Amino acid sequence: KAGVTQTPRYLIKTRGQQVTLSCSPISGHRSVSWYQQTPGQGLQFLFEYFSETQRNKGNFPGRFSGRQFSNSRSEMNVSTLELGDSALYLCASSRVRTGTNYGYTFGSGTRLTVV
Amino acid sequence: GENVEQHPSTLSVQEGDSAVIKCTYSDSASNYFPWYKQELGKRPQLIIDIRSNVGEKKDQRIAVTLNKTAKHFSLHITETQPEDSAVYFCAASNNFNKFYFGSGTKLNVKP
Repeated sequence: KAGVTQTPRYLIKTRGQQVTLSCSPISGHRSVSWYQQTPGQGLQFLFEYFSETQRNKGNFPGRFSGRQFSNSRSEMNVSTLELGDSALYLCASSRVRTGTNYGYTFGSGTRLTVV
Repeated sequence: GENVEQHPSTLSVQEGDSAVIKCTYSDSASNYFPWYKQELGKRPQLIIDIRSNVGEKKDQRIAVTLNKTAKHFSLHITETQPEDSAVYFCAASNNFNKFYFGSGTKLNVKP
């Protein structure tokens, strides 16, 4: 089956601009999570969506937002870009069953460079 | 919230030797502990996981152990091979599908 698909793979933006990243989860996976990966900070949790609702949120400023559509596809938006937002943004999907966690399947990521 | 600490940050072993990576967690409610391997330029991939009702799990050369009392879990790789070279991340989660990751261990297996 198809994996987690993230688009675009690479993006270069200017400070102050805004950007939207897209993630299509594995078919049947209803939970989608977003992570920021930088060399110094590792994997930092942004947020998790399930059934079109943000269920968990990390410690990022309000410039980072997301949403999930009825087909479980998710988008992440970053407004007023800063140089420090340059990172690899990873999307991960997982199955959901009440009372049970399942591991993530990660996408290949979107490499965002802010200049 | 949960805090996951991972050690060591870098690990260099000779091919054929064993490698052990350790993680500690703080939240006793955490009940699921996956490990991910990320090769250079690639996505993290789930390699093994363990749930809190199990103390040890093996999959060929890889094993994970969990000590709930001490709140630590470890990844063991035996008979290491150059293709095991990668960054390994541990993670902890409760039933709410929020994962807390360790800072990663860069494993270098020397041929």
